[in-house]
Amino acid sequence: GAGVSQSPSNKVTEKGKDVELRCDPISGHTALYWYRQSLGQGLEFLIYFQGNSAPDKSGLPSDRFSAERTGGSVSTLTIQRTQQEDSAVYLCASSYRGRVYGYTFGSGTRLTVV
Amino acid sequence: ILNVEQSPQSLHVQEGDSTNFTCSFPSSNFYALHWYRWETAKSPEALFVMTLNGDEKKKGRISATLNTKEGYSYLYIKGSQPEDSATYLCAHKGQQGSSNTGKLIFGQGTTLQVKP
Repeated sequence: GAGVSQSPSNKVTEKGKDVELRCDPISGHTALYWYRQSLGQGLEFLIYFQGNSAPDKSGLPSDRFSAERTGGSVSTLTIQRTQQEDSAVYLCASSYRGRVYGYTFGSGTRLTVV
Repeated sequence: ILNVEQSPQSLHVQEGDSTNFTCSFPSSNFYALHWYRWETAKSPEALFVMTLNGDEKKKGRISATLNTKEGYSYLYIKGSQPEDSATYLCAHKGQQGSSNTGKLIFGQGTTLQVKP
């Protein structure tokens, strides 16, 4: 597609439920990144994919968070047993591999856990 | 400097004023420094990717410089316009061996408000 697509754009869920957030990167972008922004905070790194593998998962806050990428394309971020502190805007970005390339961000998923 | 730090946190200027922001980052293991503009209700948009010490980049009225030895970058906006109002983020990518760490670490951003 022309840009990075994320769905849903908004999600309200009850505490304890599982949620899946989807990211469809720009075709040809081999690198994919998940970030989140909690209220009043900066962009927090979650996980980085190169192709289908995740060399760096160091930002995932707990084992309730997992992510996968299939076909070197679409990625899904899953949060199990959601907690109120998971409420945030979850941003996905993709880029070409290489030092000089910037990231293209999606419009984000606003997750609210009630 | 262990993290990416930006100053000031926020800035209010009049239309036509020129302004600049600072980004500090770890000077060891440098790989790349990015600047993004994030307007309200939109996605962050890449402005510059800088990789070499002494790099200077320019896009219209916006320019940036990079000093990797001392770990800082400046973003300049000449003749600010109301449409420049946004949060400006810098982000650092570190070196790991012969490659890079893969991830960008973002600063908290500088929020610019330009009054007509």
